[in-house]
Amino acid sequence: EVQLVESGGGLVQPGRSMKLSCAASGFTFSSFPMAWVRQAPTKGLEWVATISTSGGSTYYRDSVKGRFTISRDNAKSTLYLQMNSLRSEDTATYYCTRILRVNYVMDAWGQGASVTVSS
Amino acid sequence: DVQMTQSPSYLAASPGESVSISCKASKSISNNLAWYQEKPGKANKLLIHSGSTLQSGTPSRFSGSGSGTDFTLTIRSLESEDFAVYYCQQYNEYPWTFGGGTKLELK
Repeated sequence: EVQLVESGGGLVQPGRSMKLSCAASGFTFSSFPMAWVRQAPTKGLEWVATISTSGGSTYYRDSVKGRFTISRDNAKSTLYLQMNSLRSEDTATYYCTRILRVNYVMDAWGQGASVTVSS
Repeated sequence: DVQMTQSPSYLAASPGESVSISCKASKSISNNLAWYQEKPGKANKLLIHSGSTLQSGTPSRFSGSGSGTDFTLTIRSLESEDFAVYYCQQYNEYPWTFGGGTKLELK
């Protein structure tokens, strides 16, 4: 069974940093691109970043470019999201997703990690 | 960015009824459109990809249609487990974007 389990969320002050992790199991992690998607309270879904299987290619939405870094450790089957210079508008639940290489659709989601940016 | 406009935002229906949700893209996305189901306490579920291809495990009462800019998700003979929030999403180009969601409620 495919499992994606996020961790590392919590309360953080504006301007500070936080690192999310996503532990993957039930599939060959290194064979799938991965992504982070977020959802602010009472809002819709918003794609954040995508990373290729090797980690050599990354893509970000403009509002997080230069502040967030997506990375992966294929030996540990773990996806990361390093978030720096956090802003109140980054407050959201962050979901780890698996991407199918055949058509680049997100076919599996984690349950999410909550990040609250507030003083 | 490709804007995805989903309608309606809310939909009330009864079990056994059929409903349709529309999703319109601000420019052509070919058939690179997915539909997801969101339920409290559960991981989001991919229902349909490539506009009309049912993901493995998606009940046949779900169907998707459309290409280019106009897409529709139809659920026939609603069952109690179908009451949820549905999102469309384009993966034709970055940034990937989602529709605003449709909350399907029990009438």
